[in-house]
Amino acid sequence: DSGVTQTPKHLITATGQRVTLRCSPRSGDLSVYWYQQSLDQGLQFLIQYYNGEERAKGNILERFSAQQFPDLHSELNLSSLELGDSALYFCASSPSDRVPNSPLHFGNGTRLTVT
Amino acid sequence: AQTVTQSQPEMSVQEAETVTLSCTYDTSESDYYLFWYKQPPSRQMILVIRQEAYKQQNATENRFSVNFQKAAKSFSLKISDSQLGDAAMYFCAYRFSIPVSMIYNQGGKLIFGQGTELSVKP
Repeated sequence: DSGVTQTPKHLITATGQRVTLRCSPRSGDLSVYWYQQSLDQGLQFLIQYYNGEERAKGNILERFSAQQFPDLHSELNLSSLELGDSALYFCASSPSDRVPNSPLHFGNGTRLTVT
Repeated sequence: AQTVTQSQPEMSVQEAETVTLSCTYDTSESDYYLFWYKQPPSRQMILVIRQEAYKQQNATENRFSVNFQKAAKSFSLKISDSQLGDAAMYFCAYRFSIPVSMIYNQGGKLIFGQGTELSVKP
């Protein structure tokens, strides 16, 4: 168990809808990262937050947004969903990105299926 | 831009044998960090091993070791005495050093390769 909790585990929704994915980092971790893994693909970095502030941004679509709350949990909001958004969405956490050899600890992911 | 390439989409190894998974990366930096992650069928991402670029000594973790060739920008993973439980997708990943990450707003993200699917035959 990595200590990173993601909910829900599975999500099935229709095109055009909006969903929210939730992540609770490991206790003490201040950084949260979101990744997208499409079928048979590697992990694509979406966005990172550190202690409530956006730290780095990847190829995140404008339809997607995220935030990190004062209690350090994070939410990834996906709107106007398209079939191509179907993927496994991972959240990961680390104590700080100022300790670069500290690995990212990943949650079990949320499987999103858009029909 | 930094990229990570895993040229072997699939590999196979006999149980108890040794296998090496390849990874190359492209960077102009001299300081950085490299990782191997394992993703079994459960889809969980599990850290296997990590290497700091400034260290010449290759990292080892039990049956897992790396061959880090900085000049060649190569970071291969060797699995010795392969076990059935080693069957998984393996991802190589690159991370910026702190100064570079701050200058270019890269944070602490990992840049992943496309993965190598390892099967272990009994």
